[in-house]
Amino acid sequence: NFMLTQPHSVSESPGKTVTISCTGSSGSIASNYVQWYQQRPGSAPTTVIYEDNQRPSGVPDRFSGSIDSSSNSASLTISGLKTEDEADYYCQSYDSSNQAGVFGGGTKLTVL
Amino acid sequence: EVQLVESGGGLVQPGRSLRLSCTASGFTFGDYAMSWVRQAPGKGLEWVGFIRSKAYGGTTEYAASVKGRFTISRDDSKSIAYLQMNSLKTEDTAVYYCTRDLRGTMVRGVIITSWGQGTMVTVSS
Repeated sequence: NFMLTQPHSVSESPGKTVTISCTGSSGSIASNYVQWYQQRPGSAPTTVIYEDNQRPSGVPDRFSGSIDSSSNSASLTISGLKTEDEADYYCQSYDSSNQAGVFGGGTKLTVL
Repeated sequence: EVQLVESGGGLVQPGRSLRLSCTASGFTFGDYAMSWVRQAPGKGLEWVGFIRSKAYGGTTEYAASVKGRFTISRDDSKSIAYLQMNSLKTEDTAVYYCTRDLRGTMVRGVIITSWGQGTMVTVSS
């Protein structure tokens, strides 16, 4: 089964830039789109990146997504960190072999 | 503004059934595929299943963990998506989120752009 692996946690200071990785277990991560979701404590998730690098309206351009085929990974980069960015972030893609959506385990971002 | 409101959650005994509803507004419901995603207490997100729009046959896909027990359907006349859950297990305990896809079908995967607030399902005797 196709799996997505994320670091359990990352931390960075306000105003800095942080990158969260999401590595595919097999095949090519570029074969299907990768999405990123933000979940603040006690709230439902929201979409911050879809189709690898597209931002929904209302998401600031401090959030960006990319794909690196050489490492079979996707990345979410957040620049100019704010305390409000503190949340869990999940990557998501698709397992074509099993016709199933797949989520990474989530990364807890601490802004301190 | 896209709004998705889940209902129907609650406490249910193992082996019993429960049906969740997702009432949509703010967009043309029939044009979009819908997914259900769940989150067990203190755990990460898990994709449950997906239903295409009628234009793409209204067909469904399911996670292996729920296939054969859960059924997703839709009533476009009422802008409601359903998740019928049968033979419930304690491990099905979770918050269940209704989500809307970017398009009417999968194009290089499931692409969630909108989320509901979720409804809690507790499976316990």
